Amino acid sequence: AQRVTQPEKLLSVFKGAPVELKCNYSYSGSPELFWYVQYSRQRLQLLLRHISRESIKGFTADLNKGETSFHLKKPFAQEEDSAMYYCALKGKLIFGQGTTLQVKP
Amino acid sequence: GAGVSQSPRYKVAKRGQDVALRCDPISGHVSLFWYQQALGQGPEFLTYFQNEAQLDKSGLPSDRFFAERPEGSVSTLKIQRTQQEDSAVYLCASSPRVSGSQGEQFFGPGTRLTVL
Repeated sequence: AQRVTQPEKLLSVFKGAPVELKCNYSYSGSPELFWYVQYSRQRLQLLLRHISRESIKGFTADLNKGETSFHLKKPFAQEEDSAMYYCALKGKLIFGQGTTLQVKP
Repeated sequence: GAGVSQSPRYKVAKRGQDVALRCDPISGHVSLFWYQQALGQGPEFLTYFQNEAQLDKSGLPSDRFFAERPEGSVSTLKIQRTQQEDSAVYLCASSPRVSGSQGEQFFGPGTRLTVL
């Protein structure tokens, strides 16, 4: 079965601390993975996709097929990173439950 | 260019009422998706259109849910005889590419449905 798991509902860090939002997936084929973000009172928007291998707003995510993971990382969190983050799989998008990132000053 | 728009933004319905939720995708986008997001959960896929064709409706939770996109642009999600468990935010997303490809989906603001 296709599934995305985000084990942490809430992650709270201090400004400047490293951040890692975990995402594990279950998919039998070749996975396509995305991170979407929803800032307060804004709509859901794409943050990054694994195939682009890009860094957006300082965030990176590496697909690890051996561990079936696609963790989102940022070396130094900023207050403006506080948001809800969703890991999502494939075309019609299978979402995880989301992780709220709270960056404290 | 405006993004995806949805109306109404909020809808309160009495149990048993029928509701219709509208989605205006980005002009020219081929793909249109509907998702249901319950409180504290991630969005869950309901149905997918490629132009006017409904290619996947595997996520519709019951036959009370019906979606259409007759001219390949605006889409309507209809829920008949609403139940309390239908209370959720309904998200619409569109994409310039067909489903299964690597395209980004552009989301609307959602319609928050509350069934009393």
